[in-house]
Amino acid sequence: GQSLEQPSEVTAVEGAIVQINCTYQTSGFYGLSWYQQHDGGAPTFLSYNGLDGLEETGRFSSFLSRSDSYGYLLLQELQMKDSASYFCAVRPRDNYGQNFVFGPGTRLSVLP
Amino acid sequence: DGGITQSPKYLFRKEGQNVTLSCEQNLNHDAMYWYRQDPGQGLRLIYYSQIVNDFQKGDIAEGYSVSREKKESFPLTVTSAQKNPTAFYLCASRAGSYNEQFFGPGTRLTVL
Repeated sequence: GQSLEQPSEVTAVEGAIVQINCTYQTSGFYGLSWYQQHDGGAPTFLSYNGLDGLEETGRFSSFLSRSDSYGYLLLQELQMKDSASYFCAVRPRDNYGQNFVFGPGTRLSVLP
Repeated sequence: DGGITQSPKYLFRKEGQNVTLSCEQNLNHDAMYWYRQDPGQGLRLIYYSQIVNDFQKGDIAEGYSVSREKKESFPLTVTSAQKNPTAFYLCASRAGSYNEQFFGPGTRLTVL
């Protein structure tokens, strides 16, 4: 089976850097994705790590270490609009990658 | 503009009634998904479909049914057998072997 864990809440101030962790127990997966969801809205795709290492997309970076069963999303130069929930997700190999399993989400609050 | 539409945005039903949630996409994506999200929770997979006329149960399929008669459409029926149907329902689609899912705006179902 697949199980992902994330901190439930993180708080940071505008302009700061914040790291949202995702630890997982899985029998194998194709990669780790991150999604952002504002209150009442739809999730939007942020990043994907198919291989170990760091992927950078503007102010957002994502990291994966399969040996440590761990990944994280790094948000730099925080802005008020970054206040949202962030979800990690994997595509399990045991179903040929046809479906996704999401973590419980981390609610980020950015303070002025 | 390409995208995914869900209708209606808000839906109210009486207990014991079946209700069908619409999901349409014009992205030409093969795979489509239905998720349920409860307040402060992550996304849980209800059903998914990789091709027309084929679909698979997700983690919480009991009390739900789907059809995939057209590539563009993947309606979800919430039946009276679903014990706690009040939730936010999200539809998503994905192209081929890509990892990014595109989400619709969601339907908030309230059963009175």
